[in-house]
Amino acid sequence: QVTLRESGPALMKPTQTLTLTCSFSGFSLNTSGMCVTWVRQPPGKALEWLALIDWADEKYYSSSLKTRLTISKDTSKNEVVLTMTNMDPVDTATYYCARAIGEFDFWGQGTLVTVSS
Amino acid sequence: SYVLTQPPSVSVAPGQTARITCGGNNIGSYTVNWYQQKPGQAPVLVVYDDSGRPSGIPDRFSGSNSGGTATLTISRVEAGDEADYYCQVWDTTSDYVFGTGTQVTVL
Repeated sequence: QVTLRESGPALMKPTQTLTLTCSFSGFSLNTSGMCVTWVRQPPGKALEWLALIDWADEKYYSSSLKTRLTISKDTSKNEVVLTMTNMDPVDTATYYCARAIGEFDFWGQGTLVTVSS
Repeated sequence: SYVLTQPPSVSVAPGQTARITCGGNNIGSYTVNWYQQKPGQAPVLVVYDDSGRPSGIPDRFSGSNSGGTATLTISRVEAGDEADYYCQVWDTTSDYVFGTGTQVTVL
């Protein structure tokens, strides 16, 4: 079955660079049509899309955050990595990765990242 | 950037029907997905491509997109349907966009 799991630091200081890893199983990012995406949710707020990478290594970023985001994949490890530079307290959120086949049909459980000095 | 607007809250009695709307400019030209999120949990896809239902989602959940509004309908509402619901589209200029979210309360 399809599973995804996010991993990364729980606490960060302002200006640091966040690196999150999405480890997945049950599908291959070498398969046409398959994508992995990242979404975040600040406490008590709505979902916000961040980035997506597809089977052909095409990358798409949120217009408002694209200067800070980098997404990459390692198909041999079944992993997708998201980096976000210059973290700020407003970036405190639960970060989710999900499989995307158009819609986001399977999600990880999310990882809470807190940015505080 | 493209904006999707949802009512902040909807209240419904058990056994009744809940309708959650999602408004956006010319939304009928987009395909809309809907997600359910219970407290402390990850979102779950409940409707895709306006009206498709993923495997395992009860047929009490249905979607439509016409007349300038996308709607998620939950029939025969149960206590377990209490959650936040988000609509979503893909926009060529704004990429993936989520709605503002609707909290469904079962009375």
